[in-house]
Amino acid sequence: DTAVSQTPKYLVTQMGNDKSIKCEQNLGHDTMYWYKQDSKKFLKIMFSYNNKELIINETVPNRFSPKSPDKAHLNLHINSLELGDSAVYFCASSDTTWGNTEAFFGQGTRLTVV
Amino acid sequence: AQSVAQPEDQVNVAEGNPLTVKCTYSVSGNPYLFWYVQYPNRGLQFLLKYITGDNLVKGSYGFEAEFNKSQTSFHLKKPSALVSDSALYFCAARPGYALNFGKGTSLLVTP
Repeated sequence: DTAVSQTPKYLVTQMGNDKSIKCEQNLGHDTMYWYKQDSKKFLKIMFSYNNKELIINETVPNRFSPKSPDKAHLNLHINSLELGDSAVYFCASSDTTWGNTEAFFGQGTRLTVV
Repeated sequence: AQSVAQPEDQVNVAEGNPLTVKCTYSVSGNPYLFWYVQYPNRGLQFLLKYITGDNLVKGSYGFEAEFNKSQTSFHLKKPSALVSDSALYFCAARPGYALNFGKGTSLLVTP
C-alpha cells in the first residue's frame, strides 16, 4: 500500500492553464504538506495543513491554492500557470505538527509548463 | 529558528569505503534533526532522526548519524558504502510545523 500518493506523476501543460495535483495519505496522519523542488533540487515548504486547517502559507503566489477536503487529502490547484512554476511538487504527511516527527513523502509530480 | 547547512555539493567514495555526508545546524532551542535520501525520479525517503538522548543514531540501510552539540553537526555515516547508496542526501531541521532542508549533497559511490 502506498502511504502518500500523488496524481498525476507527470504533468505537461501550456502557460496560462489551470491545473490540479491531488494527494492522499493512508497513514492516519493529522498534518499534510506541499513542498516544491526546483531545478537545483532545493526543497521549499509551500503549505501545511493540520486537520484540514491551514497552518503554514509561505511566500507563494496567490495563483497557488491548497484545498484539504479532509485530513487524508491535500490538493494543490494552480491558476494561470507560468514557466517558472515548472518544478517537482511533493506532498508529505506527518503524525503531528510537533518537531520530533518525521514526514513521509509522495513520489512527486513533475510539472512542466511550456 | 532552526536551519541546516550541507557544505558539500558532492561526495565521491569508492565502494566498500566508509562514507560521511556533512551537515551543520543552527538552532534556538533543542534541535530536531533528520536525514532523507532521494533516488533519481523518486520521492524522499526518511533515513533517521535525532530528537534527544544517544548521540549516535542508527537508521535505515545501515546508515547512522552522529549528533555533536559542541560542533553543531549531524553528519551522516556508513561504515561500508555500496554503489546502490548513490543518491541525493538531505539534512533537515524542524523548527516548527515543517521541515527545513539543506541544499542536498549528491553521493556517488564508484565500483
